Amino acid sequence: GQNIDQPTEMTATEGAIVQINCTYQTSGFNGLFWYQQHAGEAPTFLSYNVLDGLEEKGRFSSFLSRSKGYSYLLLKELQMKDSASYLCALLDSNYQLIWGAGTKLIIKP
Amino acid sequence: ETGVTQTPRHLVMGMTNKKSLKCEQHLGHNAMYWYKQSAKKPLELMFVYNFKEQTENNSVPSRFSPECPNSSHLFLHLHTLQPEDSALYLCASRPSGGEVGELFFGEGSRLTVL
Repeated sequence: GQNIDQPTEMTATEGAIVQINCTYQTSGFNGLFWYQQHAGEAPTFLSYNVLDGLEEKGRFSSFLSRSKGYSYLLLKELQMKDSASYLCALLDSNYQLIWGAGTKLIIKP
Repeated sequence: ETGVTQTPRHLVMGMTNKKSLKCEQHLGHNAMYWYKQSAKKPLELMFVYNFKEQTENNSVPSRFSPECPNSSHLFLHLHTLQPEDSALYLCASRPSGGEVGELFFGEGSRLTVL
């Protein structure tokens, strides 16, 4: 079967760094997405990884290890506006998205 | 602004009412999706339309009825809903299904069933 796990909630301090992990089990893999969703707003695309390694995009980076079934989203220089839910989603062999339940990130001053 | 607009943003209905949710995308995409989002649960895929044809019905109860008159518009007709159907209903689109590509989401319709 297919399964995705990510922590339910995390807390971090403004200006710090936080890593949000996502582990998955799947028989077919066509990549992994991260989305950001502020309360009451649409999820918005952050990153897509299909090959192993780190992809950096400004303050946000996403890492993938296919052999370990593991990804993380790294947020640097945290700002209050980064308080949101972060959704991990796996693209399976049928190009269907399998979603994690999301990680609510709370940023404190 | 994601290019996907959903109306209404909030809806309260009784179990015997009939209502509809509307989604419109201005991105020229050919695949459109309905998702259900409940608190602390993964997004649940409900329906997929690709070039106006329904390609996925994820065992959704018949009290939810989708309609896709063209590639830009998607509706979700609601009838005889249950309180457990209260959730955020998200519409999304992407260039076409069956390939890699990010989804563009609307802001959702928050449904409360009394």
